[in-house]
Amino acid sequence: DVKVTQSSRYLVKRTGEKVFLECVQDMDHENMFWYRQDPGLGLRLIYFSYDVKMKEKGDIPEGYSVSREKKERFSLILESASTNQTSMYLCASRTNQPQHFGDGTRLSIL
Amino acid sequence: GENVEQHPSTLSVQEGDSAVIKCTYSDSASNYFPWYKQELGKGPQLIIDIRSNVGEKKDQRIAVTLNKTAKHFSLHITETQPEDSAVYFCAASKGSARQLTFGSGTQLTVLP
Repeated sequence: DVKVTQSSRYLVKRTGEKVFLECVQDMDHENMFWYRQDPGLGLRLIYFSYDVKMKEKGDIPEGYSVSREKKERFSLILESASTNQTSMYLCASRTNQPQHFGDGTRLSIL
Repeated sequence: GENVEQHPSTLSVQEGDSAVIKCTYSDSASNYFPWYKQELGKGPQLIIDIRSNVGEKKDQRIAVTLNKTAKHFSLHITETQPEDSAVYFCAASKGSARQLTFGSGTQLTVLP
């Protein structure tokens, strides 16, 4: 079974902090994705990566950056956290369809 | 870009009844349409998907239908059970695109 692991289930941070969300997959998938999930808005793509050190902006990249130094690991970085970044963050990976998701990180920015 | 609309946003059915969730998409080049189920505290899990060369696909109590002309696709769940209660998301993508575009989700509640 595909395993996508997000390092934290819950995270509380303060405004202005630099926040790192980590995601690891164990299936040698080429593509990895970061989404945020908000009620009534579905899943919105923040960034994705199709290879090591490669990244592309999704629909809502503002305020975020990403890092992919190794194939199995994809990090989402909030450079200076703000309260409007309080959300559920989901990581996903795939080579071919379908995408496989982690269980999410619920991030609260106070 | 692609836009996916999903209806209804909430749906309550009696146990044993059928449930139908509908999605429309905007890009006629889209050719892959998965459905995900998200239970409380978990990430979305794929339950069924369909490609544009097929009009219908069935897996036990779950079926998906696709109307390419009208650009809409639907999820049908028959003989609903309490464990079907969850949030369901539809999505669409083109073969050349790596990313999926998701609908806004449907909270399905199956009443015992």
